[in-house]
Parts: sequence; C-alpha cells; structure tokens
Amino acid sequence: DTAVSQTPKYLVTQMGNDKSIKCEQNLGHDTMYWYKQDSKKFLKIMFSYNNKELIINETVPNRFSPKSPDKAHLNLHINSLELGDSAVYFCASSLGTGGTEAFFGQGTRLTVV
Amino acid sequence: GDSVTQMEGPVTLSEEAFLTINCTYTATGYPSLFWYVQYPGEGLQLLLKATKADDKGSNKGFEATYRKETTSFHLEKGSVQVSDSAVYFCALSLTGSARQLTFGSGTQLTVLP
Repeated sequence: DTAVSQTPKYLVTQMGNDKSIKCEQNLGHDTMYWYKQDSKKFLKIMFSYNNKELIINETVPNRFSPKSPDKAHLNLHINSLELGDSAVYFCASSLGTGGTEAFFGQGTRLTVV
Repeated sequence: GDSVTQMEGPVTLSEEAFLTINCTYTATGYPSLFWYVQYPGEGLQLLLKATKADDKGSNKGFEATYRKETTSFHLEKGSVQVSDSAVYFCALSLTGSARQLTFGSGTQLTVLP
C-alpha cells in the first residue's frame, strides 16, 4: 500500500485553466503539507495542515487553495493557472509538526502551456 | 530565519569512490537534521536522521553525524554505487515548530560505472 499517494502524476494544461491535485495518506498522520519543487530542484513549503486546520500559508498566491476534508486528505486547487506555476508539487505527511520526519508522495508534475 | 546550506553540485564520481556532501545549518532553536534522497521521477525518501548533538544517522552505507559545534551534518559513504545516483537534500526541522522541514538546495550525484 502506498503511504502517501497523490493524483495525477502528470498534468498538462493551458494557461487560465483551473485544476486540482489530490493527496491521501494512510499512515494515520495528523499533519499534511504541500511543497513546490522548481526546475532547479529547490523545495519550498506552501501549506501545512494539522488536524484539518491550516497552520502554515507561505506567501502563496490566493489562486492556490488547499482543502482538507479530513486528516487523511489534503487537496490543492489552483485557479487561473499561469506559466510560472509549472513545477512538481509534492504532498507529504508527518506525525506531529516540527522535529519529525515527513513522508512524501511521488509528486505531480504540472506543466502549464 | 532557519536555513540549510548544501554543497553545490553536480557531483560526479566513479563507482566505489568515497562520497562527501557538505551540509551546514542555521537555526534559532535545537533542530532535528535529516538527509532525504530523490531518485529520478520519484518523491523524496528519508535516508537518515539525527535528533541531537553527536548522534550519527546511518542507512544503506550512508552516514552523517550531528555536529553542533560546527552546525554541520555532512553526508558520507565509503563506496558509492551506480544505484546511488540521485539528488540528495539536507533538511532541518525544529521541535515544536509548525514550520516542518527547511531544505537545502539539493545536490545531484551521478555515479559512473
């Protein structure tokens, strides 16, 4: 069983479209995250949810809206996609917040054309 | 703020060579330290971790020692294999902080047969 799974793995879409990425974890963790990895492999946290509550929102444009229907799911919706949104988006989860390791999904490669 | 500085790549080695990837950190508190590995097309996997000074993390022949006096967590392996080719990320996380992992910029390792 995959611990952290996200779908789709690849997403190609036109500028201006709205798209969603889904994430689910079966580890029983209470904290989930979205990270963005740019073309130079640099990783930056976007959002962090603990027990379905948003605890980190790192100066991400409000076109990005995370939603956590329960502790096991954290979805990312992106409105009005722009070329600069092209990146790999990783979902992750951990037990608790700081000090513990995170488990990552396989990533979603988003390409905006 | 908290930060991680990693040796810049790419690093190219021959099989069975010795590997060192340098990592230093700046943190306001007392962090846990991690090395993650990202194989091509995959998500990040935890390679090893250390949670307090002088701890040594080890896994799959890789080692790193938490050095508080030099704020370092260098990754080493005595004899690399072609299958070790990947991107390696050093990261820190502060206990009790909502701000999960802070990553270094990643180091691309290529091992040639």
